[in-house]
Amino acid sequence: GAVVSQHPSWVICKSGTSVKIECRSLDFQATTMFWYRQFPKQSLMLMATSNEGSKATYEQGVEKDKFLINHASLTLSTLTVTSAHPEDSSFYICSAQGRRNTEAFFGQGTRLTVV
Amino acid sequence: DAKTTQPNSMESNEEEPVHLPCNHSTISGTDYIHWYRQLPSQGPEYVIHGLTSNVNNRMASLAIAEDRKSSTLILHRATLRDAAVYYCILLSGGSYIPTFGRGTSLIVHP
Repeated sequence: GAVVSQHPSWVICKSGTSVKIECRSLDFQATTMFWYRQFPKQSLMLMATSNEGSKATYEQGVEKDKFLINHASLTLSTLTVTSAHPEDSSFYICSAQGRRNTEAFFGQGTRLTVV
Repeated sequence: DAKTTQPNSMESNEEEPVHLPCNHSTISGTDYIHWYRQLPSQGPEYVIHGLTSNVNNRMASLAIAEDRKSSTLILHRATLRDAAVYYCILLSGGSYIPTFGRGTSLIVHP
């Protein structure tokens, strides 16, 4: 199956700093990418949907100025958590879809801990 | 969006078959039934998907009811590495955003 690589797999940062998470589709062109957040023992919560070359669409309650998403190419999307605080600590997961949007492939996830 | 319902948890013994059910009574004709599983601290892993006919791959089998309002993921011989949360989701050209419910937490006993 298709491969989606997410980096880093884990990161610890100080409160107030920003963290960038990368999501790459390695063997297909991802026209759409999704970003999710998952808290312990909960399901994946969709944060935003991004299409290559256009602005991301954020879910209700997700601050677009805090979670900056860039999808500048068909193989790379980034999520930047700006001015991170301890409550932003979570497991962040990206997903990529190709032109056949009836399939989705997921990255390995990034564990963010803000101290 | 079409929704799915799954039991919160199921248990199995190692080497035994496991049948994980999923109800999707509001499924539309263009919805594909996808199954993913998530091991601890990992992203979801694709397992199998189908539209109308039953499907088999190296990981599992997918049995789809004739009316498509339910499906069953079948693990033929559960191993300890199959312990995970299994998600049944619907994807279609009209609603292509993978939306996750709580899934089924599969516990496999040695």
